[in-house]
Amino acid sequence: DAKTTQPPSMDCAEGRAANLPCNHSTISGNEYVYWYRQIHSQGPQYIIHGLKNNETNEMASLIITEDRKSSTLILPHATLRDTAVYYCIVRGGGGFKTIFGAGTRLFVKA
Amino acid sequence: GAVVSQHPSRVICKSGTSVKIECRSLDFQATTMFWYRQFPKQSLMLMATSNEGSKATYEQGVEKDKFLINHASLTLSTLTVTSAHPEDSSFYICSANDQAATGELFFGEGSRLTVL
Repeated sequence: DAKTTQPPSMDCAEGRAANLPCNHSTISGNEYVYWYRQIHSQGPQYIIHGLKNNETNEMASLIITEDRKSSTLILPHATLRDTAVYYCIVRGGGGFKTIFGAGTRLFVKA
Repeated sequence: GAVVSQHPSRVICKSGTSVKIECRSLDFQATTMFWYRQFPKQSLMLMATSNEGSKATYEQGVEKDKFLINHASLTLSTLTVTSAHPEDSSFYICSANDQAATGELFFGEGSRLTVL
């Protein structure tokens, strides 16, 4: 079973920040939080991952709470092309299998 | 970033035939690859873990004789859907770990199988 829970859908206005929450209350000390997104009929695309510190890259920022039981993916300036299903995943490093939850369907509206 | 390539991207076959889908890691070696299937408007469901040089590990409820997995090299894993039926029509996706780098999991573009 997936170890994360996410809201099924969210809306965001184009140009505004999209904040996608994820709960992972049973995360283990050696497990990372990964975020992927999937645009219709394509394979999932890696966005960002982190262990306990906040992370930022060219696509997004990842904010992990101090107790690591939840996190938020931030798309700072959402565009229409960011409309996708976003998956928050908890997994260990290396060859551990990855179980997907239902994800959040983000709709970016003009 | 690392690239995982799947082939074919789309395949249509007749019921009763077998179909092979290839998954290649193009610029890194992957001792472990994963196979998923996805039905419309649903999430990815893990089918099996493909291990280079050994037998694949199948998830509960996935028929190993139906979905044959071969991981003969560090850059190639294949999934063969044997004696395909219309209910096997789905989007099949593979992924591979770039363990030498950051441990990120990269996904292929997916293969859409339609069984007539």
